[in-house]
Formats: sequence, structure tokens, C-alpha cells
Amino acid sequence: DTEVTQTPKHLVMGMTNKKSLKCEQHMGHRAMYWYKQKAKKPPELMFVYSYEKLSINESVPSRFSPECPNSSLLNLHLHALQPEDSALYLCASSQDVQVAEAFFGQGTRLTVV
Amino acid sequence: AQKVTQAQTEISVVEKEDVTLDCVYETRDTTYYLFWYKQPPSGELVFLIRRNSFDEQNEISGRYSWNFQKSTSSFNFTITASQVVDSAVYFCALKFKGGSEKLVFGKGTKLTVNP
Repeated sequence: DTEVTQTPKHLVMGMTNKKSLKCEQHMGHRAMYWYKQKAKKPPELMFVYSYEKLSINESVPSRFSPECPNSSLLNLHLHALQPEDSALYLCASSQDVQVAEAFFGQGTRLTVV
Repeated sequence: AQKVTQAQTEISVVEKEDVTLDCVYETRDTTYYLFWYKQPPSGELVFLIRRNSFDEQNEISGRYSWNFQKSTSSFNFTITASQVVDSAVYFCALKFKGGSEKLVFGKGTKLTVNP
């Protein structure tokens, strides 16, 4: 099973809303990631969690707040987003942060209105 | 600097044609890892292959094959007898040991296979 599950698949939110994106994996992976992908661009790394600790924050604005409640779950809390934050948000996991390939979820298509 | 270049932005072929997607990488590290991912319109990035820098053996998996050449810093991907279901954006990516947990992606090549 190489499945990473993301919910919701689509999300429309206003600029004053608070919402959360959820990601789950049951492969025993110890590294989890959030990526942001704009149309016709490659994914851009936002955050990396390694053994449930935040190891990389790629200078992401504080209106994005990651959380890793346990080794299987990864959340991304959203607050006061801007229309330019509209994008595909991809979660991924890998066995470790150094070598192993990452497996991606289907993503959440976020639209900020 | 770590960099991945996919010079082909878009490729269009007719079903059953063979097609090669080019990937050229730059890295100062001697230990690194190369990846190919497929992204169909549904959005999910599907892992296809990982290749370690110390293993230059080419690989074949069904209709897919990969040619890794360190001498030219290339890791090209060939689809034989293409099918409509192969239509997707394909990303080549690089990760280097001891530096970062980041995957460095190329800009992607959009492949359209027409019936």
C-alpha cells in the first residue's frame, strides 16, 4: 500500500475563513511534506516533518500553519489567505528524509475568494 | 548549485510512437538520487523510479525505460509504444545526500498522446 490520502479534494474559502487540510499515511513513513503547486509549475516545498518534528520551513507565511499530531497524520491550518494562495496543495511521505522516494497524495485544490 | 533541466516543455505524439523525455541535472555532490514522477490531470504525482548516483545500470519496466549517463549528467526516460493513458506531465527530480531534504524538480514535460 503506497497510499497517501488527502482531504478535502477541493476547497473554496474566503479570505477571512479558517480551514484545515488533512493528510494521512499508513506506510510507517517517518517523513512527511507539504508542497504547493501553481498551474503549469513544478511543486514547491513548504514544510518537512521528520519524526514528527518540523525540520524545514521554506519561509512560508504564517497564515499557513503545519501540524503533525502523530506519525501518520499531517495537517495544514489555513487562516486569512490571499487569492494568490489558490493552488494545488500536495502532501507526501517517505521512509526517511534523505534517500527514499516520496509518495504523494492526490492533493487539495484550494481556491481563495 | 543543484538544478534539473527538462528542456522539452510539451511533446505531442500519436499512439504507438516511442517518445523520449530528456532530463539533465547539475550537482556538485558525488552521492545523489534521481527520480521520475508522472502527474496525470487528476493531480497526484505518481512515483516511477529512483536511481542512485553510484548505479548507472539502465532500467526497463514494461514499456518504460530509463537511461542514466553520469558522463553527460542525463537521466532520460523513454516510453515505448505510447498509449493515451501515458498523457501527463512528467517531472524529473534530484535529491542530494547530506545537504537537504528537498527534492529539486525540473519544470516538467507535458506529454500528449493522441489516438
